[in-house]
Amino acid sequence: DQQVKQNSPSLSVQEGRISILNCDYTNSMFDYFLWYKKYPAEGPTFLISISSIKDKNEDGRFTVFLNKSAKHLSLHIVPSQPGDSAVYFCAASEGGGSQGNLIFGKGTKLSVKP
Amino acid sequence: DTAVSQTPKYLVTQMGNDKSIKCEQNLGHDTMYWYKQDSKKFLKIMFSYNNKELIINETVPNRFSPKSPDKAHLNLHINSLELGDSAVYFCASSHTGGNEQFFGPGTRLTVL
Repeated sequence: DQQVKQNSPSLSVQEGRISILNCDYTNSMFDYFLWYKKYPAEGPTFLISISSIKDKNEDGRFTVFLNKSAKHLSLHIVPSQPGDSAVYFCAASEGGGSQGNLIFGKGTKLSVKP
Repeated sequence: DTAVSQTPKYLVTQMGNDKSIKCEQNLGHDTMYWYKQDSKKFLKIMFSYNNKELIINETVPNRFSPKSPDKAHLNLHINSLELGDSAVYFCASSHTGGNEQFFGPGTRLTVL
């Protein structure tokens, strides 16, 4: 049973436009959420995170929004750049992320076209 | 300098063999992890070690045995390899209580 779901396997966006990647979760005990970015033949790289006590966290071009009532979070990238083309994984954890047991979604492959 | 390194990057072997994957981190972290990414692309945690002690073991067959000689290393030994073990294995590390895990480049294991 998937506790973290990324229902869009792929997303294609034009350079300069906004990319919105979505993630849903089922476990109401999750209280920390992370986004990882992965290039081919490399390991995932941490991008941005959010605690359940917040509904928004921003870091440069990247913003994560959390809607606890809907058990939904999204990653906004604006403006999108060709270098953002990668697979993006949503991950969730209990215990504020301190327990180390990250539950990952299946990933969404983002393609940013010049 | 590579923060989390794994060797080998690729490993092709026959069913029934025993193999090891090594992981080292130079970040000064005291918690290390092994993840498996299967053919369906799910990234699932297998083990977690904190200061050389096992803290997470997620229903992994006992053919898989992690070994941590010190807190900078967490090696994965796999005995009697099976076809279903074919996957990409990622090592990661973090500070204790740290929210962010740093991943290695992965080891693609193919069992023939």
